[in-house]
Amino acid sequence: GQNIDQPTEMTATEGAIVQINCTYQTSGFNGLFWYQQHAGEAPTFLSYNVLDGLEEKGRFSSFLSRSKGYSYLLLKELQMKDSASYLCACMDSNYQLIWGAGTKLIIKP
Amino acid sequence: NAGVTQTPKFRVLKTGQSMTLLCAQDMNHEYMYWYRQDPGMGLRLIHYSVGEGTTAKGEVPDGYNVSRLKKQNFLLGLESAAPSQTSVYFCASSSILSGANVLTFGAGSRLTVL
Repeated sequence: GQNIDQPTEMTATEGAIVQINCTYQTSGFNGLFWYQQHAGEAPTFLSYNVLDGLEEKGRFSSFLSRSKGYSYLLLKELQMKDSASYLCACMDSNYQLIWGAGTKLIIKP
Repeated sequence: NAGVTQTPKFRVLKTGQSMTLLCAQDMNHEYMYWYRQDPGMGLRLIHYSVGEGTTAKGEVPDGYNVSRLKKQNFLLGLESAAPSQTSVYFCASSSILSGANVLTFGAGSRLTVL
């Protein structure tokens, strides 16, 4: 079966760095997405990886290893507004998105 | 730019009642989707549409129907609501021109079935 695993909850300190991991098992692979979702709001797109390596976008970076079925989202210089859930999603061979349950990130002052 | 607009934002239904959720997008996107989001679970696709007049079943289509009579609108219907359909429903759209198929989501519709 198809499966996306990510930690349920993580806590980090303002100004620090946090890495949110995601492992996936899907029928085929056409890219991996990260979305941010603040409580009570809609998910918003953060990043897309289809090739191995690191994609950097400001304070946020996303890494992919297709051979390991693994990705991570790296958040630097954490701010209180980064408190949110981070959703990992994988696109399978039919171009359907398989979603993880999300990682709730709590930022403490 | 309004993006993706969902109505209503909140609704309480009794078991057996029917209702329709409306999704409208003003980005001229070809693809539209209805998802449900439940605690501890990933987003699950209910139905989707790749163009005006076409719809297809997603992962959890039972108990729902959809229609896409106009490109900008995607309606989700519940004919006979059940407590298991208590959830937050998200509509999303994407463009065929977007190589990565990035989804733009509406703000969500919280439905409670008593």
